[in-house]
Amino acid sequence: GEDVEQSLFLSVREGDSSVINCTYTDSSSTYLYWYKQEPGAGLQLLTYIFSNMDMKQDQRLTVLLNKKDKHLSLRIADTQTGDSAIYFCAEIGGSGNTGKLIFGQGTTLQVKP
Amino acid sequence: GAGVSQSPRYKVTKRGQDVALRCDPISGHVSLYWYRQALGQGPEFLTYFNYEAQQDKSGLPNDRFSAERPEGSISTLTIQRTEQRDSAMYRCASSWDRGAGNTIYFGEGSWLTVV
Repeated sequence: GEDVEQSLFLSVREGDSSVINCTYTDSSSTYLYWYKQEPGAGLQLLTYIFSNMDMKQDQRLTVLLNKKDKHLSLRIADTQTGDSAIYFCAEIGGSGNTGKLIFGQGTTLQVKP
Repeated sequence: GAGVSQSPRYKVTKRGQDVALRCDPISGHVSLYWYRQALGQGPEFLTYFNYEAQQDKSGLPNDRFSAERPEGSISTLTIQRTEQRDSAMYRCASSWDRGAGNTIYFGEGSWLTVV
């Protein structure tokens, strides 16, 4: 079945780059997403990438996709304390025609001042 | 509305009681989803609607869980005869349409605690 795996915890110093990694199993995934969850808040969509792309950049965020290895990463440049949160990787499950997302278990990013 | 709105934000109920969780999607969004998120886990799909039609309910854990969206807008997730294992965050989400590429926006969730 479909599965998404992430490392559970990452700690970086303010100003450094953060790289959060994710692996997925469904080779037919057409879109892959990164969501951010802050305490007491909803899931915020950060960015997404279409499977025919291998990189997408959006300000401080860079998404890299290695479709052959089914590996997705999110790089945050110049990480700030406000970036401390849980980051979820997600893929579209099934045929891609349902909008049903399969989420990883989340990576907690801790940013030390 | 401006975003996906859920109510109540927090609900404590006694085991065996029924609960109803409400979701008001972003205005004009055709597709509506329910997810459940346990502590320390990612959200897990429960069910989704396209307009008023429930297209997929494969994630509902058992027949105590049901959902409806009678007029294609507001949705209600109902849990009958609640059990402690039902305690979790229940998240609603909506999108313009189903399918890949349609960005899915989540509400802040409803925390359910069954005591």
